[in-house]
Amino acid sequence: DGGITQSPKYLFRKEGQNVTLSCEQNLNHDAMYWYRQDPGQGLRLIYYSQIVNDFQKGDIAEGYSVSREKKESFPLTVTSAQKNPTAFYLCASSADREQPQHFGDGTRLSIL
Amino acid sequence: DAKTTQPPSMDCAEGRAANLPCNHSTISGNEYVYWYRQIHSQGPQYIIHGLKNNETNEMASLIITEDRKSSTLILPHATLRDTAVYYCIVRVEGYSTLTFGKGTMLLVSP
Repeated sequence: DGGITQSPKYLFRKEGQNVTLSCEQNLNHDAMYWYRQDPGQGLRLIYYSQIVNDFQKGDIAEGYSVSREKKESFPLTVTSAQKNPTAFYLCASSADREQPQHFGDGTRLSIL
Repeated sequence: DAKTTQPPSMDCAEGRAANLPCNHSTISGNEYVYWYRQIHSQGPQYIIHGLKNNETNEMASLIITEDRKSSTLILPHATLRDTAVYYCIVRVEGYSTLTFGKGTMLLVSP
């Protein structure tokens, strides 16, 4: 089955710790995206990538980092600089910038 | 970038048509209207999108007014599984990402 896989489904972070969220797609899509969702709110864009080895900051990039070394993978690192990391994180991909985005099932991050 | 306005919640009886409105009065001429939905604790699901003509697919129909300032998503025969938050989004010109608002919570009841 083609799709977007996010792992883990649930993740816990200690204070001062960096954590990395995985996002893999087998749709052969060029573009990939990371969003954050807080309770009762819409999605906010963190980072996006149009092509391998290139990525751009979204609206709330501070405290996050990404890499795009392979077409199918777009991991997100939540660094210790992100002071309020507890949220639902969603990864998406699209064939190109004009096509609809398709989403994974998310990772829920909490602070211990 | 264009903004959208949606009612915070709507109710619909199972088997009836659900008509979800969206206002986007500042939309630009080459911006598309997209609809997504999100079931609790899952990722958003793409439903449909359009520019100026009405569109239909296996999930829904999209009706866009002639002046493009508003649109309606129609689920022709709502089921309990259609209970979700529905987002109306206008794609920003020259920018590939989507801006999600708070959407409409649709509750389908037996």
